[in-house]
Amino acid sequence: SQQGEEDPQALSIQEGENATMNCSYKTSINNLQWYRQNSGRGLVHLILIRSNEREKHSGRLRVTLDTSKKSSSLLITASRAADTASYFCATDAFGQAGTALIFGKGTTLSVSS
Amino acid sequence: DAGVIQSPRHEVTEMGQEVTLRCKPISGHDYLFWYRQTMMRGLELLIYFNNNVPIDDSGMPEDRFSAKMPNASFSTLKIQPSEPRDSAVYFCASRGASGRWETQYFGPGTRLLVL
Repeated sequence: SQQGEEDPQALSIQEGENATMNCSYKTSINNLQWYRQNSGRGLVHLILIRSNEREKHSGRLRVTLDTSKKSSSLLITASRAADTASYFCATDAFGQAGTALIFGKGTTLSVSS
Repeated sequence: DAGVIQSPRHEVTEMGQEVTLRCKPISGHDYLFWYRQTMMRGLELLIYFNNNVPIDDSGMPEDRFSAKMPNASFSTLKIQPSEPRDSAVYFCASRGASGRWETQYFGPGTRLLVL
C-alpha cells in the first residue's frame, strides 16, 4: 500500500513560474524525501527533510513538512524546461521496517518555454 | 563511482519464459532494494536486503517471483514463469550505512515486456 499521495497528479506551467506539489502521508515517519524521475530514467534524490524539521532549502527547491497534518510540499521556484519530470515523495514507516521507503504515485510536471 | 548498474536495460519475452534481472549496487552500500513501477500501481517495493540477507519480501507478488543476493555486489530478481501482467519497469536501488538519513540511489531500470 502507498504511504504518500501527491497532489496534483499533473501540473503544467510556463518557464519562470513557480511549481508547488503536495504530499500527504498516513503514518508517523522518521523522514520524508522527494525524488525526481525523468522520462525513461531512474529516480534521483532531491532533498530529505527530517520529522523534526519544518522547512528546508536546496537551490531552487523549498520543502516544508507539517507532521501534525501529515503533509509536505515541494516548491520549485523559477522553473525551467529541464524541470519537466515526475516528482515523488517517499517516506519510511516509523517503528516498522524503518529503512524501506514507500513512494507515492507522483506528480507529473510539464514546464513549457 | 558508476552508480547502481542494472541489466538488461530492456527485456522482451514470451509468457511462460523465465526472466532474470540483475543488479550491482554501489560499492560499500549495505542495503539493496527491488522496486516495480507501473502506471496503475506506481512504484512498489518488492523486497529489500541488508548485508545480503532478505529483510522484507512482503511486496513480492507471488511465488513466481524470487530474489537472491549471493554477495555484496550482486543481486538477481527472477520471474518464473513470466506472465503479461508482469510487464513493468523494475528498479534496483541501494543505500549505504546504517543511519536513518541515508538516501537511496536508483539504477536506470529494466523495462520488461511479457508477450
